[in-house]
Amino acid sequence: GESVGLHLPTLSVQEGDNSIINCAYSNSASDYFIWYKQESGKGPQFIIDIRSNMDKRQGQRVTVLLNKTVKHLSLQIAATQPGDSAVYFCAETVVGSSASKIIFGSGTRLSIRP
Amino acid sequence: DSGVTQTPKHLITATGQRVTLRCSPRSGDLSVYWYQQSLDQGLQFLIQYYNGEERAKGNILERFSAQQFPDLHSELNLSSLELGDSALYFCASSVRGTGELFFGEGSRLTVL
Repeated sequence: GESVGLHLPTLSVQEGDNSIINCAYSNSASDYFIWYKQESGKGPQFIIDIRSNMDKRQGQRVTVLLNKTVKHLSLQIAATQPGDSAVYFCAETVVGSSASKIIFGSGTRLSIRP
Repeated sequence: DSGVTQTPKHLITATGQRVTLRCSPRSGDLSVYWYQQSLDQGLQFLIQYYNGEERAKGNILERFSAQQFPDLHSELNLSSLELGDSALYFCASSVRGTGELFFGEGSRLTVL
C-alpha cells in the first residue's frame, strides 16, 4: 500500500551544526511533498514544501531536496538551534484534486546537544 | 494558533463506550482531515472531507465514522472503544485538498 518512510527514527545533533533528515516515499504518482514539524504537545506545523518539478527549495534556515529518481527527499536545517528540537514528518500527496490522501511518514525525532 | 479548534482536548472513557470528537476548521477552509497518532507513532490518515462530502479514506476502522456539516465543522465518532484506540486524534484543514494542512492541537483519548 501507500507508504512514506524515514531512514532514521532519531537524530542527535550538536547545537550550531547542520541537520539532515531523510525520507523515502513509495508512490510514484505523488507530486507534492511537505515537511512538518511537531513539537511536544502540539499539532504538526508546516515547514516547507516542494513540487515534483523542482529539485530544491530553500526557506529560512531550511532546504528541501527532492530526488525523484530514487524517490527520496531530505530536509536540511542550517545552524541547528534548541528550538529545532521536535519530531519531523515528511508527507506526500497528489496536487490538483479536492480528494487527496496526504500520507505522513513515521517521523524523525531531532534532539539538540548543547 | 493555527485557527483550527478541536474539542475536547482530553477525554477518558471506558472500553465499549462511544465518543465524539469535534473540529472547527480555519475560516474559509473547505477541507477537513482526521489523523490518528498513537504514542511515538506517525500520523495515520483516517478520512478527508471536502465541503461536506467524503473525498478520501484511509485506514479508518468500521467502528469509526465521521461527517462534515454544512457549517464545515466536522465530527469524528468512535464507537465500541478498545484499549488500542487510545491515541491523539488530530484534525487538520486546508483551503482545498492541498498539502499545506493546518492542524489543531489534537484530542487525547484514553480508553481504560
